[in-house]
Amino acid sequence: EAAVTQSPRSKVAVTGGKVTLSCHQTNNHDYMYWYRQDTGHGLRLIHYSYVADSTEKGDIPDGYKASRPSQENFSLILELASLSQTAVYFCASSGTTISNERLFFGHGTKLSVL
Amino acid sequence: GDKVKQSPSALSLQEGTNSALRCNFSIAATTVQWFLQNPRGSLINLFYLVPGTKENGRLKSAFDSKESYSTLHIRDAQLEDSGTYFCAAESSNTNKVVFGTGTRLQVLP
Repeated sequence: EAAVTQSPRSKVAVTGGKVTLSCHQTNNHDYMYWYRQDTGHGLRLIHYSYVADSTEKGDIPDGYKASRPSQENFSLILELASLSQTAVYFCASSGTTISNERLFFGHGTKLSVL
Repeated sequence: GDKVKQSPSALSLQEGTNSALRCNFSIAATTVQWFLQNPRGSLINLFYLVPGTKENGRLKSAFDSKESYSTLHIRDAQLEDSGTYFCAAESSNTNKVVFGTGTRLQVLP
């Protein structure tokens, strides 16, 4: 079974502070993604990457940066956390092309910005 | 409007009964995935579909790209089927996967 591990599982941050969410996959997948889920809603794509050292903007990238230092690792960075960024964040990976592989998700990181 | 619309938004079932969930797409979808988000919050990939049907135990899913919809049928519902079901479609225009807002299912004893 594919494995995607996120850390931390939960975090409380202060407004204006910096937050880094980490994701590690052992699937040998090329694609990695960061989604956010707000209460009662589906998932929205923030950033994604299809190769190390390169990231792409998703549908809601404002206020977020991403880093893909290796095939296995993908980080989401909030330089100046805001109240509106309180949400659950999911990392996912998929295979060699977006159109041919299913998404495998991590367990999520619950972020509360106070 | 919603690019991926799920119905119903919420549903309660008696254990042992059957039900069908539906996704309608306003985008040109090439593939569809169905996920279950369990009460602990984990997202489990149930199906990955190109146009056609797949079956796995008590679950069966169909995807009709021409009519722009997908269905998930649950047979003999069990308590552990409770959770929120999401469909997600890959857009042929953007190659991005777009999620619906989910169907919250509660199976009652």
